[in-house]
Amino acid sequence: ETGVTQSPTHLIKTRGQQVTLRCSSQSGHNTVSWYQQALGQGPQFIFQYYREEENGRGNFPPRFSGLQFPNYSSELNVNALELDDSALYLCASSSTGASDYGYTFGSGTRLTVV
Amino acid sequence: QKEVEQNSGPLSVPEGAIASLNCTYSDRGSQSFFWYRQYSGKSPELIMSIYSNGDKEDGRFTAQLNKASQYVSLLIRDSQPSDSATYLCAVKRGSARQLTFGSGTQLTVLP
Repeated sequence: ETGVTQSPTHLIKTRGQQVTLRCSSQSGHNTVSWYQQALGQGPQFIFQYYREEENGRGNFPPRFSGLQFPNYSSELNVNALELDDSALYLCASSSTGASDYGYTFGSGTRLTVV
Repeated sequence: QKEVEQNSGPLSVPEGAIASLNCTYSDRGSQSFFWYRQYSGKSPELIMSIYSNGDKEDGRFTAQLNKASQYVSLLIRDSQPSDSATYLCAVKRGSARQLTFGSGTQLTVLP
């Protein structure tokens, strides 16, 4: 059984650019959640996708958007990058629409905005 | 008031000692509680979950939950240098989609 995989592992972008991060969910999981972890902080919930629909969203602006594909993999898109978007972006998958049993996170994508 | 609060540390304990990590939460509707371990530069790893008042033991780890006091703790017995990491407390309201994390406590176990 493969785990959650994320790509790329590291990324450097310039302020104002757009970025797409990718996540392949664990086999059998139909729900993907994205989190942003700034340095020295805990992860913050961005949004969740369940069966290709957004199923909950945290306090992030609309320039953070996502997609989920029929194979349950997912993308996180961030437009008009700001310096404060520099963070570790984490993806987690689960087999239900909730997270009662906790998540297994992928290895993350480290985004640096300069 | 933050929804989930943890002492940021750093917390230093000698090898072989008990490390005690604490977490308080503000939402009385929280029903699920988790401890994650995060090594520097890595993603968080789930180490314990607890749902009912009392203690839950798993190897050297014991999670303690007191819903009346809105308090969760993690005890690490016989601490090892390999336990040196940041420990994140996370809570979930029953109806919520997401986990809410604290900022983490940095633990250093000294050889």
